[in-house]
Amino acid sequence: DAGITQSPRHKVTETGTPVTLRCHQTENHRYMYWYRQDPGHGLRLIHYSYGVKDTDKGEVSDGYSVSRSKTEDFLLTLESATSSQTSVYFCAISDSGRGTEAFFGQGTRLTVV
Amino acid sequence: TQLLEQSPQFLSIQEGENLTVYCNSSSVFSSLQWYRQEPGEGPVLLVTVVTGGEVKKLKRLTFQFGDARKDSSLHITAAQPGDTGLYLCAGAPRGGGADGLTFGKGTHLIIQP
Repeated sequence: DAGITQSPRHKVTETGTPVTLRCHQTENHRYMYWYRQDPGHGLRLIHYSYGVKDTDKGEVSDGYSVSRSKTEDFLLTLESATSSQTSVYFCAISDSGRGTEAFFGQGTRLTVV
Repeated sequence: TQLLEQSPQFLSIQEGENLTVYCNSSSVFSSLQWYRQEPGEGPVLLVTVVTGGEVKKLKRLTFQFGDARKDSSLHITAAQPGDTGLYLCAGAPRGGGADGLTFGKGTHLIIQP
C-alpha cells in the first residue's frame, strides 16, 4: 500500500468552527489532492497541489483552503465549518501530473453539527 | 467540465453470473482508470487504460477503453461475493496538467452467495 496517512479518521465539530485535516505521505510524490465523497455526487476535487507551496482550486473549493509547506504534508482547512461540509474527505497522491496512478488515503469522516 | 456517467448505479446479482459496468462521456480523456472501493476505505486502483480500443484483463475482470477514448467498460465473469464493492471510473484530462481526475458516481455492486 502507498504510504498515505490521513488524520483524524473521524471528527465531529460544531458549525462555525475551523477544522484542519492532515494528509501525510511517505512516497515523495509531487502531486497531492483533496477530494470529498458524498452520496449521489461521487468524488469531487476540492484543491490540489503540484509542489511545495504550489496549490490550485478544484471543482468545489469554496469554504476550503489548503497549504503545503513540505512535500509530505498537505493540509485542508475548513475556515468556518458548515453542515454542507459534512462528508468523507480523501487525500490522494500521484507522481504524474496527468492524474494517473492516484493512490488514496483511508479517508476522514467529518460531521458538522 | 468533463463528466463521466456510470451505469448502472446499483447492481445486485447471484454468484456465478456475469455483469458489465459502463462508463460514458462526451469528452475525450488521455487515460481512464477503474477503482474499487470498500466501505470505510479509500478507492484502490484496479487498472489504467490509455490507448483507444485497449483491452486489459485482471483475472475475471476485463476492462476496455473505447476507440474514441470517451468510454470504457468493466466486465466481470463468474462474479464472486468478494467482488462486492463500489466500482469507480475516473478520467485523466487531455493535454496533461495537474488538476486531478474526473470521477463517475460509481456502481454499487453486490454479489449474493
